[in-house]
Amino acid sequence: SQTIHQWPATLVQPVGSPLSLECTVEGTSNPNLYWYRQAAGRGLQLLFYSVGIGQISSEVPQNLSASRPQDRQFILSSKKLLLSDSGFYLCAWTTGGGTQETQYFGPGTRLLVL
Amino acid sequence: EDQVTQSPEALRLQEGESSSLNCSYTVSGLRGLFWYRQDPGKGPEFLFTLYSAGEEKEKERLKATLTKKESFLHITAPKPEDSATYLCAVGQGAQKLVFGQGTRLTINP
Repeated sequence: SQTIHQWPATLVQPVGSPLSLECTVEGTSNPNLYWYRQAAGRGLQLLFYSVGIGQISSEVPQNLSASRPQDRQFILSSKKLLLSDSGFYLCAWTTGGGTQETQYFGPGTRLLVL
Repeated sequence: EDQVTQSPEALRLQEGESSSLNCSYTVSGLRGLFWYRQDPGKGPEFLFTLYSAGEEKEKERLKATLTKKESFLHITAPKPEDSATYLCAVGQGAQKLVFGQGTRLTINP
């Protein structure tokens, strides 16, 4: 069966510091991968998605970036965090292909920028 | 632009009191409507996918239905453990999802 991991679970960082969040998927190959951000009491905002190694699509202009160095690894980064980057970050995966498949979510990372 | 609107924002029910959550959508070519359950501090958990108007799916006390413009999540005789935020999403191209803001459901014992 497939499993998705995210770490760290929680993170408190000062403004201006760098960020690296990691997401890995087990039990599947060539998945589509997604990064979402969820503000308190709000819905999910898609930040990035990837259909393959090195292929990243950005949905929202911001100071975040994403990379996919391996088939089942997705990383969210920032060089300098802003207060507005605080939120709940979720990684999701789905099987690749042309049809609309269900997205399955990881446990999330709670980021607080002070 | 594809949009998803959920109502109400919050709903408080007594245990056993049935009700429905609404998800209205505007999308150019529906590629699936998805319901998720999210507990505080956790990632969304998949519940249902509906693809065409008239389709219905059930799981325990939950039943999801779909029309051409909206979906309903019916909760029959809910229990306190059904308390959660319920998220609705529609599929876009490139396997992307557009999410609504969610309905926060509280079931009082």
